Amino acid sequence: QQPVQSPQAVILREGEDAVINCSSSKALYSVHWYRQKHGEAPIFLMILLKGGEQKGHDKISASFNEKKQQSSLYLTASQLSYSGTYFCGTGSPNFGNEKLTFGTGTRLTIIP
Amino acid sequence: DTAVSQTPKYLVTQMGNDKSIKCEQNLGHDTMYWYKQDSKKFLKIMFSYNNKELIINETVPNRFSPKSPDKAHLNLHINSLELGDSAVYFCASRLAGGETQYFGPGTRLLVL
Repeated sequence: QQPVQSPQAVILREGEDAVINCSSSKALYSVHWYRQKHGEAPIFLMILLKGGEQKGHDKISASFNEKKQQSSLYLTASQLSYSGTYFCGTGSPNFGNEKLTFGTGTRLTIIP
Repeated sequence: DTAVSQTPKYLVTQMGNDKSIKCEQNLGHDTMYWYKQDSKKFLKIMFSYNNKELIINETVPNRFSPKSPDKAHLNLHINSLELGDSAVYFCASRLAGGETQYFGPGTRLLVL
């Protein structure tokens, strides 16, 4: 069963902040975040490997709560270039990063 | 230089036909994948190969047959195409033991 992401879609004005959540019903080994622009390939953003881990670069960061089997992606002071569909991909204890199960996706639209 | 490439980019065909999609990566990766992304944007793993050996085979109809002639290439042959096969098919690659999957540009398949 694929991870559930929330919200399904969100529209923000440039400069506003966004939070995208990813929740799994199964134990997680890792959480990978990807962004896909329309008509393009998914692009890797970051990976979280340990419960409690937080990562970030530029104005995009993420956290991983292993116990709750959840991860959140934070986009601060969003830019027009942040528009796209965001996917979490989860690795399982059985397969590690060998096999990812991707979430339902969150469509983010940034308007001027 | 393109890291992961796919051909063709677009494929329009009639129901019942047989078609192939090709994927090549020049990253020196050991592991390659095929994913299917349907009209609702769900991204689902189909197959994974490591050094030409099939590692992951999800519940995919046996009309789909992957082939890896060498570790830089992974092709997907589809027999007796059905309307439900219409989707975007993404190839991806990863270094064995690595964390990140790199996606190709996708092949947009439309079955009429």
